Amino acid sequence: DQQVKQNSPSLSVQEGRISILNCDYTNSMFDYFLWYKKYPAEGPTFLISISSIKDKNEDGRFTVFLNKSAKHLSLHIVPSQPGDSAVYFCAATPGGTSYGKLTFGQGTILTVHP
Amino acid sequence: EADIYQTPRYLVIGTGKKITLECSQTMGHDKMYWYQQDPGMELHLIHYSYGVNSTEKGDLSSESTVSRIRTEHFPLTLESARPSHTSQYLCASSDPGQGHTIYFGEGSWLTVV
Repeated sequence: DQQVKQNSPSLSVQEGRISILNCDYTNSMFDYFLWYKKYPAEGPTFLISISSIKDKNEDGRFTVFLNKSAKHLSLHIVPSQPGDSAVYFCAATPGGTSYGKLTFGQGTILTVHP
Repeated sequence: EADIYQTPRYLVIGTGKKITLECSQTMGHDKMYWYQQDPGMELHLIHYSYGVNSTEKGDLSSESTVSRIRTEHFPLTLESARPSHTSQYLCASSDPGQGHTIYFGEGSWLTVV
């Protein structure tokens, strides 16, 4: 049972345009959602997170939107840069004592063309 | 900037060998985790620890074992490596009291031949 799903395996965007990466989840116990960027031979790099009590969080070029009723979140990158090309993982975790036990989606490969 | 370190980064070993993957963090985090990622797949939690002398198995069954004798150190051991253990192993740590970021190390690529 895939509790966190990223249905788009890949996304191609022109430099300067907006990249929108989507993620759906099924477990209502998830309290925090995180986005990571990853290169194949490296560990995930934390980008941005959002608590389930919020619907938007912004950090520089990155904005995460959460629609709790639809169990859907998205990561917006504006403007997109070639250096953003990587695999992006959505992850979710319960709160409380279980915080940190992440469930990951399958990842979306983002390619930003110059 | 994450202060979490994994060694070795890359390791090729023969079947049946015992190996230990090291993970250390200097942030004083109580919670530490091991995730496993096969190429092109999602990451799965295989072990976690909420503090010294605390270890639990994660969602994905693993033949590896872990120990947590010191706060900063969370090594993972395979007693007898097999080709099916070939994967990337990622260590992470967090402390909700210091914010909700979960930091990952660079990962250890293990190949068992």
